[in-house]
Amino acid sequence: DAKTTQPPSMDCAEGRAANLPCNHSTISGNEYVYWYRQIHSQGPQYIIHGLKNNETNEMASLIITEDRKSSTLILPHATLRDTAVYYCIVETDKLIFGTGTRLQVFP
Amino acid sequence: KAGVTQTPRYLIKTRGQQVTLSCSPISGHRSVSWYQQTPGQGLQFLFEYFSETQRNKGNFPGRFSGRQFSNSRSEMNVSTLELGDSALYLCASNPSVRGMNTEAFFGQGTRLTVV
Repeated sequence: DAKTTQPPSMDCAEGRAANLPCNHSTISGNEYVYWYRQIHSQGPQYIIHGLKNNETNEMASLIITEDRKSSTLILPHATLRDTAVYYCIVETDKLIFGTGTRLQVFP
Repeated sequence: KAGVTQTPRYLIKTRGQQVTLSCSPISGHRSVSWYQQTPGQGLQFLFEYFSETQRNKGNFPGRFSGRQFSNSRSEMNVSTLELGDSALYLCASNPSVRGMNTEAFFGQGTRLTVV
């Protein structure tokens, strides 16, 4: 079973920041937090991952709380093309996908 | 650099038949994982191969099997197809040499329909 809990859906206005939360209260010390997204009918796409520190890349930022029990994925300027299902995964040796958050970006 | 290639993209089979799906990972990637995606169950992990050995396995019946060749290409086979096997089958390749599923790159999938 997935070790993460995410809200089933969220909305975001185009151009605004999308903040997607994830709870992973049972995470252990060597487990990374990964984020993937899946745009309709395509294979999942890697976004970002982190262990303890906050991470940023060209797509997004990942904020992990100090106790590592939750994290937030931030898309700084959401576009319509960011409409997708976003999966937060706590990973050791295989990716176990939960139900994810369906993000709808509206004009 | 070419991405993960899955063939065929679409397939229709009859109940009771068997099917083989193919996945060519990104060059240099030694880990290949397979997933089944259905509307009811979501994305479920089938198995992972690393250097021709199955390293992880999900909770699927023995009708689902796979293998990996020396060039890292992988195939999965489903025997005695059931209607419930209709799904999108996704393959992911992984560059990690540590044996962990870091930054997996997914193919477009093979959509299997069982009639």
